[in-house]
Amino acid sequence: KNQVEQSPQSLIILEGKNCTLQCNYTVSPFSNLRWYKQDTGRGPVSLTIMTFSENTKSNGRYTATLDADTKQSSLHITASQLSDSASYICVVKNNAGNMLTFGGGTRLMVKP
Amino acid sequence: NAGVMQNPRHLVRRRGQEARLRCSPMKGHSHVYWYRQLPEEGLKFMVYLQKENIIDESGMPKERFSAEFPKEGPSILRIQQVVRGDSAAYFCASSGLAGNTGELFFGEGSRLTVL
Repeated sequence: KNQVEQSPQSLIILEGKNCTLQCNYTVSPFSNLRWYKQDTGRGPVSLTIMTFSENTKSNGRYTATLDADTKQSSLHITASQLSDSASYICVVKNNAGNMLTFGGGTRLMVKP
Repeated sequence: NAGVMQNPRHLVRRRGQEARLRCSPMKGHSHVYWYRQLPEEGLKFMVYLQKENIIDESGMPKERFSAEFPKEGPSILRIQQVVRGDSAAYFCASSGLAGNTGELFFGEGSRLTVL
């Protein structure tokens, strides 16, 4: 069964600190993995996409990693800002039928 | 170039009434997806449509829910005889490529409250 598990479920950090969010998946065969940011009351917005051959990809203060062997991805946020407070959703696509599997998200709160 | 437009943003219905949620995809996109998000939970796939066709409705409840994407006009998610458990945020996403190949662009969602 295709599953995407994210941890932690929620996280509180102080402004300026770094944090790392985890995504473990059992989706197979793997096609790609996206990280989305969902602000409260808004729709998700794509941050980055990782394909099988990519290990690391950065988008500003966001850096995503992918280990296709262990089926793990992480999203690292550097020098957090109050506007980083949101849910971060990991979405994995498989090659069989192009199905998307959504993780439950990590709710990040950045406090001043 | 407007993004995915959903309306209404907020909808209140009493039990037994009908709810109609509309979604206009991004310009040039012909693939529409509907997702449901319960409070404090993740997004759950409901249905994938192309113009005039339902491609995958594996996430749709068997009764009371229906979706369409006519040749002209927005996609409609229709919920008949709503119950309290239907209260949720319903998100629409569109793509320019078939079968989840391209990036999904999400609307801001329609929040349904059933009294």
